[in-house]
Amino acid sequence: QVQLQESGPGLVKPSETLSLTCSVSGVSVSGGSFYWSWIRQPPGEGLEWIGYLYARGTTNYNPSLKSRVTISGDTSKNRFSLKLNSVTAADTAVYYCARRPIVGATEFDYWGQGIPVTVSS
Amino acid sequence: DIQMTQSPSSLSASVGDRVTITCRASQSISTYLNWYQQKVGRAPNLLISAVSTLQSGVPSRFTGSGSGTDFTLTISSLQPEDFATYFCQQSYSLPLTFGGGTKVEIK
Repeated sequence: QVQLQESGPGLVKPSETLSLTCSVSGVSVSGGSFYWSWIRQPPGEGLEWIGYLYARGTTNYNPSLKSRVTISGDTSKNRFSLKLNSVTAADTAVYYCARRPIVGATEFDYWGQGIPVTVSS
Repeated sequence: DIQMTQSPSSLSASVGDRVTITCRASQSISTYLNWYQQKVGRAPNLLISAVSTLQSGVPSRFTGSGSGTDFTLTISSLQPEDFATYFCQQSYSLPLTFGGGTKVEIK
């Protein structure tokens, strides 16, 4: 049974770094069959893909966030992480981690439950 | 970036109604189009991949069609559990992008 679970602080101060972790069970993050993504959804709005991690370290980021984002993996704990620096109120959102197969239609087939993050002093 | 435009942004319908949601891509995305259902307070759930492939457990009243730039999601007979927001998503090129969503409400 594949499961993804986000964790991290729910409140971050402006200009600081948002750090979240996605713990994965039922499949190996380093296995090479999937892209491991972060996606966010501001309150009442749509979905924005942030970026992905593939296998042992290949990453790709949304150009809109590229200068502030780092996604990395921890193979020993089968998890991957998101760091978003210099946050502002516009980064307030529910953050999801999700899996996407590398072959086929490459849809997001498994999602975490999401973690709400508020940027406020 | 490929822009995904959904219409309508919201609709009201009754149980038993046929509902059609449209998604248009700003350039051709072949058949790299997926649909998700999101209920309030929950993560999106994959309904349909590659335009028309129904995911396991998704009722057959959901169908997807289209190719190139124009796609539709049809619910043949709306059920109470279908009231939710629906998103399309293209996986043709990076950055991956989603439509703005269509909220299906009870009339």
